[in-house]
Amino acid sequence: QVQLVQSGSELKKPGASVKVSCKASGYTFTNYAMNWVRQAPGQGLEWMVWINTNTGNPTYAQGFTGRFVFSLDTSVSTAYLQISSLKTEDTAVYYCARGSGPPDAFEIWGQGTMVTVSS
Amino acid sequence: QSVLTQPPSVSGAPGQRVTISCTGSSSNIGAGYDVHWYQQLPGTAPKLLIYDNNNRPSGVPDRFSGSKSGTSASLAISGLQAEDEADYYCQSYDSSLSGSYVFGTGTKVTVL
Repeated sequence: QVQLVQSGSELKKPGASVKVSCKASGYTFTNYAMNWVRQAPGQGLEWMVWINTNTGNPTYAQGFTGRFVFSLDTSVSTAYLQISSLKTEDTAVYYCARGSGPPDAFEIWGQGTMVTVSS
Repeated sequence: QSVLTQPPSVSGAPGQRVTISCTGSSSNIGAGYDVHWYQQLPGTAPKLLIYDNNNRPSGVPDRFSGSKSGTSASLAISGLQAEDEADYYCQSYDSSLSGSYVFGTGTKVTVL
């Protein structure tokens, strides 16, 4: 069946880096866009980026450039989110979600990856 | 920050009908972009509930319905059930933010 499976929870110290993966299965990876969404503890959903999986071109939300790097490995149908120079405010659950590109909905979501940044 | 405003909470008794509003502006909902709704049960990932204003994905009960008018949209839940207790988010596209998606502030539905 169509699914997105994300990597497990991470505990990192401030200043470190983290890489979260999102493996797609059950469909042709490059036929759909990939999105990343952040949810801080007790807060709402915040869209971060959508990626054209054919070209690899990302479109970022404000505030998610620089320390946030989004990449793809189409050979293994996997999307990645890397965050460098982690701050305590990066503590959140990060979701990948499949869509067909703006303005379409996100039909399939990964289970989420909890990233905790604490000294 | 969110540019789509939702009430923080709504509540109702089992069997009742509740509605959740989602208020945007002329650069998103009012520009004609579709509105989508997601349900997030406690401790789980969001799930698509309504897409393109008023369409239900396969498997979503017809108790859930959506509508859109002007710069706002609404989600209605009729015949409220205990399992509907969750957070609900609207989503649209905003042309003023370098082309980006925007989510609503979220609404907690409590079944009394």
